[in-house]
Amino acid sequence: DTGVSQDPRHKITKRGQNVTFRCDPISEHNRLYWYRQTLGQGPEFLTYFQNEAQLEKSRLLSDRFSAERPKGSFSTLEIQRTEQGDSAMYLCASSRAPLRVGQYFGPGTRLTVT
Amino acid sequence: DQQVKQNSPSLSVQEGRISILNCDYTNSMFDYFLWYKKYPAEGPTFLISISSIKDKNEDGRFTVFLNKSAKHLSLHIVPSQPGDSAVYFCAASAQTSGSRLTFGEGTQLTVNP
Repeated sequence: DTGVSQDPRHKITKRGQNVTFRCDPISEHNRLYWYRQTLGQGPEFLTYFQNEAQLEKSRLLSDRFSAERPKGSFSTLEIQRTEQGDSAMYLCASSRAPLRVGQYFGPGTRLTVT
Repeated sequence: DQQVKQNSPSLSVQEGRISILNCDYTNSMFDYFLWYKKYPAEGPTFLISISSIKDKNEDGRFTVFLNKSAKHLSLHIVPSQPGDSAVYFCAASAQTSGSRLTFGEGTQLTVNP
């Protein structure tokens, strides 16, 4: 069990650029979640997948954000036309549905938009 | 609308003593509650959880208590160790919402040697 991995760990980009993050969940986990965390706050839910189906999106996920999980394994989160307000830690988590157990988080990708 | 609230941003205790972290929630649909620990530059680490059909769950030094009528839960750490110093997040989920987690703001626990 290698845990949840995320790439890159840090990303600095200029306002207006597009960025893409990758998440590799724990291999036997069929659910994958994306959260965003800003300083002094807890993580906020963005979206989640069960296998390759995106089942729910938060209203925080504006049209500039898109997430995919094409084969039900890894997932990507893309932010288009980044804004300074997008600066945050982007966290990925996975779990095995339908078990009601804890979600296991990756180390996160810290995005800084200058 | 903050559905999960941790009113204490920080807590400081002596090594060997009990640490009690508190959490309140407002959404009566929440039926599963979790505590996570977070070190700087790492993702949250799952600690312990409790279903709404229980009022207590224990795992080693960690015990979570749930008071459904008060919509309150707490995490007890006994005895506290310096390595427990971290930010602790309370989280809640509802069966009806695909198990997405709603987090509190976190409490910074410092355990002094």
